[in-house]
Amino acid sequence: GENVEQHPSTLSVQEGDSAVIKCTYSDSASNYFPWYKQELGKRPQLIIDIRSNVGEKKDQRIAVTLNKTAKHFSLHITETQPEDSAVYFCAASLSGSARQLTFGSGTQLTVLP
Amino acid sequence: NAGVTQTPKFRVLKTGQSMTLLCAQDMNHEYMYWYRQDPGMGLRLIHYSVGEGTTAKGEVPDGYNVSRLKKQNFLLGLESAAPSQTSVYFCASSYGRSPYEQYFGPGTRLTVT
Repeated sequence: GENVEQHPSTLSVQEGDSAVIKCTYSDSASNYFPWYKQELGKRPQLIIDIRSNVGEKKDQRIAVTLNKTAKHFSLHITETQPEDSAVYFCAASLSGSARQLTFGSGTQLTVLP
Repeated sequence: NAGVTQTPKFRVLKTGQSMTLLCAQDMNHEYMYWYRQDPGMGLRLIHYSVGEGTTAKGEVPDGYNVSRLKKQNFLLGLESAAPSQTSVYFCASSYGRSPYEQYFGPGTRLTVT
């Protein structure tokens, strides 16, 4: 089955700096890659996603890049703010598989004021 | 629109007891999923359903059963709880077609002593 690895497990940045979280996946047939944000005690919520026919997608301060050849994708957050502090999860899924998501192990992002 | 709801929010069980977790969604989603979340391990898929009357095994199905008798409900059962099933359980649902976003419920924190 699919395996998703996520790094780093913890990340601290100063407010206003950028943060980058990286994930690799094992199954070259995966074609959908969402990123979820989970605040303490809350449910995971989708912040951005990308499909395999697109190399980059941006939404305000958040962007995701995908390298299909290397089988890795990354989340970029610019101009970080204290409210960006949370756990971020990457995931991958195959088409025709009930869109099952295989999640990475998560990154605890702390934005220091 | 309540979205995805879960009952109960918290539960403590003794080893060997049984219980059922209820997930309900009001978005007319076809696909529903049960995940467990353990520290440092991300979310792992237990079982899923692609429509009323259907269920399938995910990554970690042992010790759990599910049923989807109505489209809006997805039940997760533990027949004989074990301490290893102490976890936070999340239900999610999606349309099963584009957009592929999975919407998560608020979670159930289960402790087995």
